[in-house]
Amino acid sequence: DIQMTQSPSSVSASVGDRVTITCRASQGIRSWLAWYQQKPGTAPKLLIYAASTLQTGVPSRFSGSGSETDFTLTISSLQPEDSATYYCQQANNFPYTFGQGTKLEIK
Amino acid sequence: VQLVESGGGLVKPGGSLRLSCAASRFIFSDYYMTWIRQAPGKGLEWISYISDTGGYTNYADSVKGRFTISRDNAKNSLYLHMNGLRGEDTAVYYCARGQYSYGYWGQGTLVTVSS
Repeated sequence: DIQMTQSPSSVSASVGDRVTITCRASQGIRSWLAWYQQKPGTAPKLLIYAASTLQTGVPSRFSGSGSETDFTLTISSLQPEDSATYYCQQANNFPYTFGQGTKLEIK
Repeated sequence: VQLVESGGGLVKPGGSLRLSCAASRFIFSDYYMTWIRQAPGKGLEWISYISDTGGYTNYADSVKGRFTISRDNAKNSLYLHMNGLRGEDTAVYYCARGQYSYGYWGQGTLVTVSS
């Protein structure tokens, strides 16, 4: 199975900060990567697919980049509502796998 | 788009359960569908998907041979038949629309496996 490793596991940042979360795949996955945001007690929300394509309705402060094994999710100017856990997910090989999550807190 | 899961509950180890996902407000038969689960306080685990026609399925190793995904396009419904349930199957089970990424999710249904 492809292992997806996110870093950091948790991060605390202030409103207006630029935040970057990294996801590393144990083998190349081309651009078959998605990013999700999950708030407590709710289903995940798709932010980015195909590594860098913004899902309709997602604020433009979110962006994704990378290919093969190294990917990043960037929030350009952190907002209070961005407090959540973020997951990456690969869809290049079965079984599809998720990263362990990055918990983002607002200072 | 609306996805509503049902069928969760408390079941003893070794027991069986069938989850359902009722889909509405989109053409269900046009889309692959997926089941994803989340153990309490843990991350997300992809467990199974089914093609638009139902002719192709795939499973995570953790559930292969015990769980069966199916769909009824006439009823706009997705199912997950779970047999041989174990404590580690305790989780919120989500149905989601899509093959590679999941833009729409249900609210989830909790399955608890305990004696």
